[in-house]
Amino acid sequence: DAGVTQSPTHLIKTRGQQVTLRCSPKSGHDTVSWYQQALGQGPQFIFQYYEEEERQRGNFPDRFSGHQFPNYSSELNVNALLLGDSALYLCASSLGSWGTGLTDTQYFGPGTRLTVL
Amino acid sequence: QKEVEQDPGPLSVPEGAIVSLNCTYSNSAFQYFMWYRQYSRKGPELLMYTYSSGNKEDGRFTAQVDKSSKYISLFIRDSQPSDSATYLCAFLFSGGYNKLIFGAGTRLAVHP
Repeated sequence: DAGVTQSPTHLIKTRGQQVTLRCSPKSGHDTVSWYQQALGQGPQFIFQYYEEEERQRGNFPDRFSGHQFPNYSSELNVNALLLGDSALYLCASSLGSWGTGLTDTQYFGPGTRLTVL
Repeated sequence: QKEVEQDPGPLSVPEGAIVSLNCTYSNSAFQYFMWYRQYSRKGPELLMYTYSSGNKEDGRFTAQVDKSSKYISLFIRDSQPSDSATYLCAFLFSGGYNKLIFGAGTRLAVHP
């Protein structure tokens, strides 16, 4: 089992550009969550996708958007990049068990390190 | 007041020491309490999770939750150099929608 994979590993962009990050969930998982981790900080929740729909969203502007495909893989898009968007972007997958109070463990990928110059 | 407070460290201890990592939180709606370990240039991995107040042990690791004080701890016994990592406390609301709320992380270095 490959676990959660993310691509690319590193990315350098300039202000104003757009970026797309990709995530493949762990085999059997149907839910993908995205987090932003700034240097020296804990991950911050961006949004979560289940059944190709955004189920909930954190406190991030509309410049951050996403998509989930029928095979459960997901993309994170960020438009009009700012210097403050430089961070490690983490994807986590899990198996949704809605209503039970606790879904299966969230497994994190290695992340994509985005640098905005 | 921040929703989660975690001492960022860094914490440096000799091999074999007992390590205590702590977080306080303010949101009474948190129902699940977790500790993640993150090695440099890696994603976080779940170490332990607990639901109720009290202690939960797994090998050299013990997670402790005090809901009345809104305080959680992770104890590492007989610490090893391989324990050197950043430890993140994390919290989850009940009722589905597993949006994790993380602390800032404590960087731990265990030297031989």
